Amino acid sequence: TQLLEQSPQFLSIQEGENLTVYCNSSSVFSSLQWYRQEPGEGPVLLVTVVTGGEVKKLKRLTFQFGDARKDSSLHITAAQTGDTGLYLCAGATSGTYKYIFGTGTRLKVLA
Amino acid sequence: KAGVTQTPRYLIKTRGQQVTLSCSPISGHRSVSWYQQTPGQGLQFLFEYFSETQRNKGNFPGRFSGRQFSNSRSEMNVSTLELGDSALYLCASTETGTGRQYFGPGTRLTVT
Repeated sequence: TQLLEQSPQFLSIQEGENLTVYCNSSSVFSSLQWYRQEPGEGPVLLVTVVTGGEVKKLKRLTFQFGDARKDSSLHITAAQTGDTGLYLCAGATSGTYKYIFGTGTRLKVLA
Repeated sequence: KAGVTQTPRYLIKTRGQQVTLSCSPISGHRSVSWYQQTPGQGLQFLFEYFSETQRNKGNFPGRFSGRQFSNSRSEMNVSTLELGDSALYLCASTETGTGRQYFGPGTRLTVT
């Protein structure tokens, strides 16, 4: 069974602080996605990474895919209250649209 | 382009009943996936349909079933509801080629 473990599970920080969320697996994925979900809504895709070692930046968010394509990280610089939400990673194996979701990291950014 | 729509948004059923949820994907998307989200288990993959055929299936009992119509709209059905089926059911429409998933707002099912 493929599993994606995220850490930390919960994170409460002050506005302006930096943070990193990790997504780890013993399985290899052909692509990995990061989502943010807010209460009452479905997850919204932030980024897709497909190449081992790939780094993508989206404004204050930096995403990295591990060299072996088994792990990923999301780094947020100078967090803002609008970053509050549930962050989910999701991996897919080659040739399928069957995504395995991580356990989630619930982030709260305090003003 | 209109996003993914799911109906109904909220549903309350009693144990033993059955329920049907509906999902309309983004126009042009032929793949529709269904997920169950609960606080304890997180987001779990139910099944994926592509051009009216079930292409992938998660580890859920046979009480959970689905189908897709020629216009790509999809329904999922849960028979003989159990209390543990209470969850947010999410539908995702996948863009062919990129694998980018767009989620609907979900249907919140409560089983009493």
